[in-house]
Amino acid sequence: QSALTQPASVSGSPGQSITISCTGTSSDVGSYNYVSWYQQHPGKAPKLMIYEVSNRPSGVSNRFSGSKSGNTASLTISGLQAEDEADYYCSSYTSSTTVFGTGTKVTVL
Amino acid sequence: EVQLVESGGGLVQPGGSLRLSCAASGFTVNSNYMNWVRQAPGKGLEWVSVIYSGSSTYYADSVKGRFTISRDNSKNTLYLQMNSLRAEDTAVYYCARDPFGASSFDYWGQGTLVTVSS
Repeated sequence: QSALTQPASVSGSPGQSITISCTGTSSDVGSYNYVSWYQQHPGKAPKLMIYEVSNRPSGVSNRFSGSKSGNTASLTISGLQAEDEADYYCSSYTSSTTVFGTGTKVTVL
Repeated sequence: EVQLVESGGGLVQPGGSLRLSCAASGFTVNSNYMNWVRQAPGKGLEWVSVIYSGSSTYYADSVKGRFTISRDNSKNTLYLQMNSLRAEDTAVYYCARDPFGASSFDYWGQGTLVTVSS
């Protein structure tokens, strides 16, 4: 149950696009299309942004998109806005359990 | 409206026990995969445990043998019994709903803080 690997921080200017990677193994990300992404603002509970690799829950902006290739999943935020500044976590299903990523702090410059 | 409200957190000494509760409304816990996720101060998210709609339970290696997840269908409430607590169990504990068993948590509670310290 090792955590998925994410970059510690990613930054971008308003209007730009950024991509956060999430690297796992053939036992988790590589084996299942059950990768999710969460946004967490300070002091708040996480919010589901992407599920099953690339699906957006109702109410989530279409500026957020997800993809996967092999053992690595990615979250892209297009048209970066100040409100997107937060921590982002990926997660994956693996053998009846869930593993989270190490987390990425997104800074809007 | 779907809502999850945790309670039961607090200060406990190492080796002690605590039971967390998560009261659900707007849906039934026994029809969903219900999870506990924790976050140590200033750290990332860590999955703790899940109870399936069919009552199977699974745990992270870090808590296996010490924590027990359960639910009371009549009260529509999820529980986490935590025994033999250690300093490293100090965290905010969230309950979260996974409607399809795909490890996608669509609703979360506000969290309850557990502090293990002498």
